[in-house]
Amino acid sequence: EAQVTQNPRYLITVTGKKLTVTCSQNMNHEYMSWYRQDPGLGLRQIYYSMNVEVTDKGDVPEGYKVSRKEKRNFPLILESPSPNQTSLYFCASTPTGTASNQPQHFGDGTRLSIL
Amino acid sequence: AQSVTQLGSHVSVSEGALVLLRCNYSSSVPPYLFWYVQYPNQGLQLLLKYTTGATLVKGINGFEAEFKKSETSFHLTKPSAHMSDAAEYFCAVSESDSWGKLQFGAGTQVVVTP
Repeated sequence: EAQVTQNPRYLITVTGKKLTVTCSQNMNHEYMSWYRQDPGLGLRQIYYSMNVEVTDKGDVPEGYKVSRKEKRNFPLILESPSPNQTSLYFCASTPTGTASNQPQHFGDGTRLSIL
Repeated sequence: AQSVTQLGSHVSVSEGALVLLRCNYSSSVPPYLFWYVQYPNQGLQLLLKYTTGATLVKGINGFEAEFKKSETSFHLTKPSAHMSDAAEYFCAVSESDSWGKLQFGAGTQVVVTP
């Protein structure tokens, strides 16, 4: 089954404690992306990756890092989380970016609470 | 840079009535346009997309949208609402020369009443 898998699904943590949200896809997609969803703001793109070792900033990259060492994985790293990063996070993938004739596949989301 | 405006954060429709969700965009180059639906506690699902070609695009679940360049709009419609259409809907745009970046609207919550 084609899947984008995010872990953890829920996390409550404290300010300054480094955390990583993993994202893995089993569809051999080149393109992967991270979004955060906040009420009234829709989804905002954090980072995206066109392929292995190719990453670029979205609209709200501050406070986040990503890496793409292998095609299937695209972890989101919060080196020093702060309360304003409390949000619902989604990872997505698609074969060749948003121009693909195939849709982006979204994970089920990760709800982060930073106290 | 592109941007998206969705008119109305909440829309209430009667079952069987027309669903109309409005989306306007700005883009300096030909845009790619998308509508996504999000059901409670789930990720996003693509309803339909416009990249090139026919400006009237048909999607899943009976939805369609029309790209109107002169109006910079991509409104979503469904002739007859069903209770299962209750969800949040997002319009999104990317630019054809930088299709890695995707800009979402703030979303429209649709409530369907019996």
